[in-house]
Amino acid sequence: GDSVTQMEGPVTLSEEAFLTINCTYTATGYPSLFWYVQYPGEGLQLLLKATKADDKGSNKGFEATYRKETTSFHLEKGSVQVSDSAVYFCALGAVIQGAQKLVFGQGTRLTINP
Amino acid sequence: KAGVTQTPRYLIKTRGQQVTLSCSPISGHRSVSWYQQTPGQGLQFLFEYFSETQRNKGNFPGRFSGRQFSNSRSEMNVSTLELGDSALYLCASSLDRVFSGNTIYFGEGSWLTVV
Repeated sequence: GDSVTQMEGPVTLSEEAFLTINCTYTATGYPSLFWYVQYPGEGLQLLLKATKADDKGSNKGFEATYRKETTSFHLEKGSVQVSDSAVYFCALGAVIQGAQKLVFGQGTRLTINP
Repeated sequence: KAGVTQTPRYLIKTRGQQVTLSCSPISGHRSVSWYQQTPGQGLQFLFEYFSETQRNKGNFPGRFSGRQFSNSRSEMNVSTLELGDSALYLCASSLDRVFSGNTIYFGEGSWLTVV
């Protein structure tokens, strides 16, 4: 079945460091791909998305490119801030067995130290 | 415009009781789905409703049920609560089906604790 595997955490970086969180997926069709972020005690917020191969999603300095050949959607940011500390989830979205659903990775906890 | 609204935000129930959670989607959104989040299992799909019909259900027992009303608002119900049902329950809405390129937006969630 469809699945998402993302880099295990926790990840700890210093402010202004470069960030990469790896995400790969397995899907039978052509899913949309998403990155969601969750701050402590809150729900999920959409960070960025890509709906077809070679699309690049970007938001708040974060970027991810939908790579069909490597089935990947790695999240990157050139210079992280303390306020980026959160849990990041990679997800694929598709209609699976008649239902629109998101399949999530296990989440990566990111901590940025000043 | 208002986002996805879930009520109640926090609740504590006793084993064996039942609970109903409510979700109001973004205005105009027709698809509502529910997810359970636990530290052990992560985020798992519960079910999706579209045009008042349950489209599919995740791997959850029959104690978990839901419905969608004509205004797209949705409720989920868990009967005979077990300790393992303690979780954050997230509701999500989208304009249409995701393969059309639409985005799924989440609410803040309902934190359920079963004691």
